[in-house]
Amino acid sequence: KAGVTQTPRYLIKTRGQQVTLSCSPISGHRSVSWYQQTPGQGLQFLFEYFSETQRNKGNFPGRFSGRQFSNSRSEMNVSTLELGDSALYLCASSWYNNEQFFGPGTRLTVL
Amino acid sequence: GIQVEQSPPDLILQEGANSTLRCNFSDSVNNLQWFHQNPWGQLINLFYIPSGTKQNGRLSATTVATERYSLLYISSSQTTDSGVYFCAVPNFGNEKLTFGTGTRLTIIP
Repeated sequence: KAGVTQTPRYLIKTRGQQVTLSCSPISGHRSVSWYQQTPGQGLQFLFEYFSETQRNKGNFPGRFSGRQFSNSRSEMNVSTLELGDSALYLCASSWYNNEQFFGPGTRLTVL
Repeated sequence: GIQVEQSPPDLILQEGANSTLRCNFSDSVNNLQWFHQNPWGQLINLFYIPSGTKQNGRLSATTVATERYSLLYISSSQTTDSGVYFCAVPNFGNEKLTFGTGTRLTIIP
């Protein structure tokens, strides 16, 4: 089985722009979660989608949004980028309430 | 929400040494995961261990759910074991993982 894939792997944007990150889960997994990792805050939960519905959301501003498609692929969007949004964004997939598997991440740099 | 603490924060060992990493959590959990973050940032699954002991080669893990801690053992360390180790537990009833702050392991040849 192929693992979780994320695209793109690296992104450089400037303040004020918006960005869309993509995540394809392991085949058969219907839950997709997103996490942000920064040196100062560690790994923080952004949101989780199951069957195209957002089930949980972390403490992030409304500039962070996501969605899930019928094939379980998920995208997250960050609008009006700030310098502090520079981070590694990790996506994880799981089969209902089970072990989570992570993708390689997207490293976003905001200049 | 649940709190997760890991110790020690940093560990430097000679190749061949054994190590024990600890993860404490503040509330009852129905599962726990250990990860190794590789130099490129990917979290590699090591163990999914809600309770009891599991072994995989030189690595083993024990979770004592009633006492709210888990231990990761690495024996005969190799330089490729270097990196950051995280434990993570879910919030009850959902997929959100709360991560510890990690243990940075450095193995010196």
